[in-house]
Amino acid sequence: QQPVQSPQAVILREGEDAVINCSSSKALYSVHWYRQKHGEAPVFLMILLKGGEQKGHEKISASFNEKKQQSSLYLTASQLSYSGTYFCGTETKMIKAAGNKLTFGGGTRVLVKP
Amino acid sequence: NAGVTQTPKFQVLKTGQSMTLQCAQDMNHEYMSWYRQDPGMGLRLIHYSVGAGITDQGEVPNGYNVSRSTTEDFPLRLLSAAPSQTSVYFCASSYLRGQGMIYGYTFGSGTRLTVV
Repeated sequence: QQPVQSPQAVILREGEDAVINCSSSKALYSVHWYRQKHGEAPVFLMILLKGGEQKGHEKISASFNEKKQQSSLYLTASQLSYSGTYFCGTETKMIKAAGNKLTFGGGTRVLVKP
Repeated sequence: NAGVTQTPKFQVLKTGQSMTLQCAQDMNHEYMSWYRQDPGMGLRLIHYSVGAGITDQGEVPNGYNVSRSTTEDFPLRLLSAAPSQTSVYFCASSYLRGQGMIYGYTFGSGTRLTVV
């Protein structure tokens, strides 16, 4: 089952902040965040492991609440280059399968305007 | 260092034709996977592999076959193309951390497939 992302889209002015949320109904091993520019492949931003740790990439950071199976991505002091679609990927442990699976949410479109 | 290489970049197929999408990585990644992305949607997992000779199904495996005879290559075969398989296909690879956890994907540039 896919994780649920919210909001579906957000429009920002340069310098503003935004939060993107990702929630899952399954117990998670990790949460990944990716950014995809139009017509390009997704690019890995960061991974968060169990334990509630936070990671950062430039002025983009994220948190993982293991108990709630939720992760949030924080865009701080947004830049024009932050525009794109952000996807969370949730990794679940597969007991009877060959390995773990990474399942992606539907994405959040971010547009940063000057 | 090429990363993940997908070929072809574009392909048009007629309904019922078969073809193979190629994916190769030069990073010695154990884990490889195939996703499809439909317009305005997220990525859906088709098949994945944790090493040579080991593959398993993802969310949408019907109509696709995979095999992995080497660490580097993970081709995706469309058995009998249907218009519903029109999509952008991405191959991705990753190292595996302890306990088989996926480290973080490197994606190929994608194959845009149209089935008419």
